[in-house]
Amino acid sequence: SQTIHQWPATLVQPVGSPLSLECTVEGTSNPNLYWYRQAAGRGLQLLFYSVGIGQISSEVPQNLSASRPQDRQFILSSKKLLLSDSGFYLCAWGGIGGEQYFGPGTRLTVT
Amino acid sequence: KNQVEQSPQSLIILEGKNCTLQCNYTVSPFSNLRWYKQDTGRGPVSLTIMTFSENTKSNGRYTATLDADTKQSSLHITASQLSDSASYICVVSHAAGNNRKLIWGLGTSLAVNP
Repeated sequence: SQTIHQWPATLVQPVGSPLSLECTVEGTSNPNLYWYRQAAGRGLQLLFYSVGIGQISSEVPQNLSASRPQDRQFILSSKKLLLSDSGFYLCAWGGIGGEQYFGPGTRLTVT
Repeated sequence: KNQVEQSPQSLIILEGKNCTLQCNYTVSPFSNLRWYKQDTGRGPVSLTIMTFSENTKSNGRYTATLDADTKQSSLHITASQLSDSASYICVVSHAAGNNRKLIWGLGTSLAVNP
């Protein structure tokens, strides 16, 4: 069966510090991978999606970037965090327009 | 503008009672509609997915309906349990050629009290 991992589970970072969130998927090959952010009182916002190694599509211009160095690894990064980057970050795998399966999420607080 | 609106924003019911959550959408062209359950601090988990031709689908005590003509969906929860306390999110897949996107509602926060 497929499983999806995210770490860390929670993170508190000062403004201006770098960020690296990791997501890995097991039990499937060549999955479509997604990064979402869920801010307080807001719906899920798609940040990036990837259909293959090195292929990243950005949905919203922002202070973040994503990379897919391996087939089942998806990384979300920032060089300098902003207060507005706080939120709940979710990684998912699946098909575009099809079913998506979510990881446990990372709660990021930028102070 | 492609939008998904859910009501009520929040709901409190007693354990054992039934409830119905509403979802209205203006997404076009439409591909499918899903309902997700999201426990606090966790990722969403899919409950149901319906295409244009389906007007009802059940998953245990959860029954979703879809009226593609009026662009409305509902999620009915029967005999609620404490573990049903969560946010329920309606998501519509926007089918525009090969670029399909998910339009997420803000969710209904359900609290089931003993």
